[in-house]
Amino acid sequence: EPEVTQTPSHQVTQMGQEVILRCVPISNHLYFYWYRQILGQKVEFLVSFYNNEISEKSEIFDDQFSVERPDGSNFTLKIRSTKLEDSAMYFCASSPREVYNEQFFGPGTRLTVL
Amino acid sequence: AQKVTQAQTEISVVEKEDVTLDCVYETRDTTYYLFWYKQPPSGELVFLIRRNSFDEQNEISGRYSWNFQKSTSSFNFTITASQVVDSAVYFCALSGSGNTPLVFGKGTRLSVIA
Repeated sequence: EPEVTQTPSHQVTQMGQEVILRCVPISNHLYFYWYRQILGQKVEFLVSFYNNEISEKSEIFDDQFSVERPDGSNFTLKIRSTKLEDSAMYFCASSPREVYNEQFFGPGTRLTVL
Repeated sequence: AQKVTQAQTEISVVEKEDVTLDCVYETRDTTYYLFWYKQPPSGELVFLIRRNSFDEQNEISGRYSWNFQKSTSSFNFTITASQVVDSAVYFCALSGSGNTPLVFGKGTRLSVIA
């Protein structure tokens, strides 16, 4: 069964460094999302992406964040200058169509900022 | 604005007991979707169920059952004859129609003790 994959599973970085989190959505899906979960807290929406542009973003998704789909298969989240509070689990999700809002989640990348 | 409330932060039960996890939602949309996800200690989000706002039929899947009541804006989840493997954090989530972001509740941590 097709699934969303994410790499790396765990990333450790120093404060101020740039990180890129990678996701490979399910191949025929059209809508892509990033969510974040700070340890012990709820899952929060960051950004959605459709037709090669951001369709919606939350207040969390400030200028330090960017997303792109560089090659038609990968979907990346970049954090330009990481802060301690960026430490979280980051989930990628993809959805095949507009009806039913069926979002398939990847296993997550745990980002630790030291 | 959409909102999901899971008032139970933590629940502890003895194996084989039945347990109900509560979920109350707020939305102004007439078409919306409700979800339950399981997050085991390994961290991934496991999809359990999606229900649309026009389908108030209760659903049963093995030991799991869901009670959707629009009159009380609730979408409760019951595990019958709980098992240790059911120990996890359970999230209720809500979205509007189309490929809109999911809004998650804060989760309920269920501990099933042998």
